[in-house]
Amino acid sequence: AQSVAQPEDQVNVAEGNPLTVKCTYSVSGNPYLFWYVQYPNRGLQFLLKYITGDNLVKGSYGFEAEFNKSQTSFHLKKPSALVSDSALYFCAVRGYTGRRALTFGSGTRLQVQP
Amino acid sequence: NAGVTQTPKFRVLKTGQSMTLLCAQDMNHEYMYWYRQDPGMGLRLIHYSVGEGTTAKGEVPDGYNVSRLKKQNFLLGLESAAPSQTSVYFCASSYLTSGNTGELFFGEGSRLTVL
Repeated sequence: AQSVAQPEDQVNVAEGNPLTVKCTYSVSGNPYLFWYVQYPNRGLQFLLKYITGDNLVKGSYGFEAEFNKSQTSFHLKKPSALVSDSALYFCAVRGYTGRRALTFGSGTRLQVQP
Repeated sequence: NAGVTQTPKFRVLKTGQSMTLLCAQDMNHEYMYWYRQDPGMGLRLIHYSVGEGTTAKGEVPDGYNVSRLKKQNFLLGLESAAPSQTSVYFCASSYLTSGNTGELFFGEGSRLTVL
C-alpha cells in the first residue's frame, strides 16, 4: 500500500520569507511524487512532479521540491513567499507499478501574512 | 478549453435518495477518477477507470457505483445516500502511457450534502 503524510495542518510564514511544506511518503519501489495546490472553492492544480533524475525539481509559480530517497521525503519549498501563495497544498504519490492512481496526503494550509 | 467538467456543482439530498454525478473530459484521457475530499483527510479515491467499459475500486468504494460507457464520461452514483456521504467530490482524468507520468487534471468539484 502507498501512503503520504503531511505532518503540519497549517504553516504560517511572513511575506518575503522562505517557506517549506513537509511531505513524507511510503510506496513499494520507486515513487512518482507530486504537489498540487487548491484555492478556495476550486479543484486541485498541478504544481510539480518528481519522476527520476535530479533530486531538486522546479515547478509553477516559483515553487520547487526536494526529493530525498533515504528520508522518503518530498518537501515543497519557495525562496520568497507571496500573500497569493496562501492556499491548501497536497502532496501525492504513485508507485511505478500497482494501482495507477495517486494517493494524497491530508493537506497543509499555507498562510502567508503581509 | 473546458478540461474536466462536473455536474451538478451543488446538491442537497435526503437520506435514502439516489443521485448521479457526471464527469466529462474533452482531453481524450484514458484514465478517470472519482475522489472525495473531507476536512483533515485529504482526497480519498472512490473508484477509477483505466478505459472505456472498465472500472475499479479505490480506497473508499462502499455506497458508490460508477460507469464508464463512453471514454469522455465517468458517472458516480449513490443508490441510497447516507449523511456520511456528505462531502466534496472531485473528478480527475489523466493520460497515462509508459512514457507519461499520469499528472491528474481536476474538475472544480461537486458539493453534496445529505440530510
